[in-house]
Amino acid sequence: EDKVVQSPLSLVVHEGDTVTLNCSYEVTNFRSLLWYKQEKKAPTFLFMLTSSGIEKKSGRLSSILDKKELSSILNITATQTGDSAIYLCAVEPYNQGGKLIFGQGTELSVKP
Amino acid sequence: ETGVTQSPTHLIKTRGQQVTLRCSSQSGHNTVSWYQQALGQGPQFIFQYYREEENGRGNFPPRFSGLQFPNYSSELNVNALELDDSALYLCASTSGGLAGQYNEQFFGPGTRLTVL
Repeated sequence: EDKVVQSPLSLVVHEGDTVTLNCSYEVTNFRSLLWYKQEKKAPTFLFMLTSSGIEKKSGRLSSILDKKELSSILNITATQTGDSAIYLCAVEPYNQGGKLIFGQGTELSVKP
Repeated sequence: ETGVTQSPTHLIKTRGQQVTLRCSSQSGHNTVSWYQQALGQGPQFIFQYYREEENGRGNFPPRFSGLQFPNYSSELNVNALELDDSALYLCASTSGGLAGQYNEQFFGPGTRLTVL
């Protein structure tokens, strides 16, 4: 059965720290991996990683896809209290009607 | 550009009742997916609609059904509600359809359903 596993499940850091969130997957016919940030309700899109785009960066956030290890990391440098949220990793397989398979999420809490 | 909207925001029902949740897709998007997110879990795929047809379905029983309308808005219907149906229901839209094109899914704010 296809699955996506994130670690850690929760993390508490202080402002200015750097964090690394992990996502591993076992998905047949991998197409893309996506990272979302969920603060209250709607997950907001961060990055999409594919075979042709295995590294993305936006400001203090960056993400890398390791297709050999079937994993991805999301890095956040110089964390701020506004980074406190649940970070969701999802994998889209081919030919499954646009289905995204989500991990459980990592709850990040950034203390002042 | 209008984002994804959902209604209602919150809903309380009792076991055995039926519920209809609504979603308006982002402007220009023709594909809508529905997800169920239980507390402390990641979203679980229910189904996707593309141009008014069901395009894929997750492991949910037939009492979960949906519709997509010509304007690409969508409804999720759940019959015979059970306590375990209590969750946040998320709708996501994308401009899918072109082979080989990657299109990220944009989520709405969700409907919080409580079944008593």
